[in-house]
This record gives sequence, structure tokens and C-alpha cells, in this order.
Amino acid sequence: ETGVTQSPTHLIKTRGQQVTLRCSSQSGHNTVSWYQQALGQGPQFIFQYYREEENGRGNFPPRFSGLQFPNYSSELNVNALELDDSALYLCASSSTWTGSTDTQYFGPGTRLTVL
Amino acid sequence: GNSVTQMEGPVTLSEEAFLTINCTYTATGYPSLFWYVQYPGEGLQLLLKATKADDKGSNKGFEATYRKETTSFHLEKGSVQVSDSAVYFCALKNSGNTPLVFGKGTRLSVIA
Repeated sequence: ETGVTQSPTHLIKTRGQQVTLRCSSQSGHNTVSWYQQALGQGPQFIFQYYREEENGRGNFPPRFSGLQFPNYSSELNVNALELDDSALYLCASSSTWTGSTDTQYFGPGTRLTVL
Repeated sequence: GNSVTQMEGPVTLSEEAFLTINCTYTATGYPSLFWYVQYPGEGLQLLLKATKADDKGSNKGFEATYRKETTSFHLEKGSVQVSDSAVYFCALKNSGNTPLVFGKGTRLSVIA
């Protein structure tokens, strides 16, 4: 069974730029959630994708957007980067096939630094 | 709204000491409860979970019991090892396509 993978591992951008982060869900999982983890904090929910549509969103502005593809992989896009966007971005996958999406499995994360 | 409160860290213990990390929650409905662990430079790993009141989750010597009457899910381990040094996150999730809600994390350092 393949776990959740994310790319790239690390990324450095400057203010105002745009970034795309990628996530491949665990084999057999059809739902992907994205979280932002600032240094020293717990992860904060950004949004979730199911059946290629956004299916729930946290308190993040519209410049955070995403996609889910037919193979259930996902992208997180952030436009007009700000210094406060520097964080570890975590992708988590889960499955509705078993009738429950309670358990989410996380990837290793992408560390984004905005200068 | 839903929230999770964890004890402030850091927690420093000697090897083989007993560990307790307190976690309490506020939630509507009947959430599932989780402990995740984050080793330095890595993502989150699911450590254990419990889905209903009085359930006990356990894994790798760690245990936590879902206490509805005290809205708590404290993490315990009888004898910690240096390799247990990490940040531990308590989290809750309502059923369906709802997100995980995390506490702020508790950093544990175990010294030989």
C-alpha cells in the first residue's frame, strides 16, 4: 500500500509570487484535505476535496485554492504570497469507501518559506 | 465550535519514566478522538484513536481512553524511551466530511 506523498519537500518563494504544491493520496483513498501548520502550532484546516470538488473550507482567503484530479491526487495553489504564508503544508487522505472518513493519513509535508 | 486543549509543553522526562499528556475537548455531537505524533522534520503520524465513549486506543505502548463525562482523552505511556521524543497532537473529528481540529501540540523530550 502506497502512503501519502507530497512534492516538493521544500520551497522558497518571495512575496507576491504564486506557488503550487502537490499531493498523491494513499492507495484506495478518495478524499484529500489540506492543512497549514505554522511553526510551533497545530495544523489548521484549509480545505477538503472529494469527487474533484471543494467539500469544506476553513478560514483561509480565496487566494488559497485547490484542485483534485480523477486519480484523487490534489494540488494546493497559493497566489500573492505573503510572509505569513511561511509554514509546513500538510496533505491528508481518507476514504469514504468504508462508510467513514474519520481517519486521515498525512503526508510528510511541504515546507514553504516566503521571503 | 469544536476545540481541543492540550497541556503546555515542553515536557522533559528521563528514560523509563511514566508519561501523561492531558487533552480535553469541546465538541458538538460525538466526535472521534485522535493522537498524532510528529517527529522532527516530518509530517504527522496517526498514533491511536477512539471513536466512542469508553473506547481505549492503544499503539506502541501508548494508551488513551475516551472519557465523555470529563471530555478528555489523555495520552499515557508507562515507560518512555528516547525515541519517543516528538511533538504530540490531540485532535477531534465529527463524522462525515469534516476536518480534524487539533490542539497546539505538546513537545516531549526524553533524556537517557
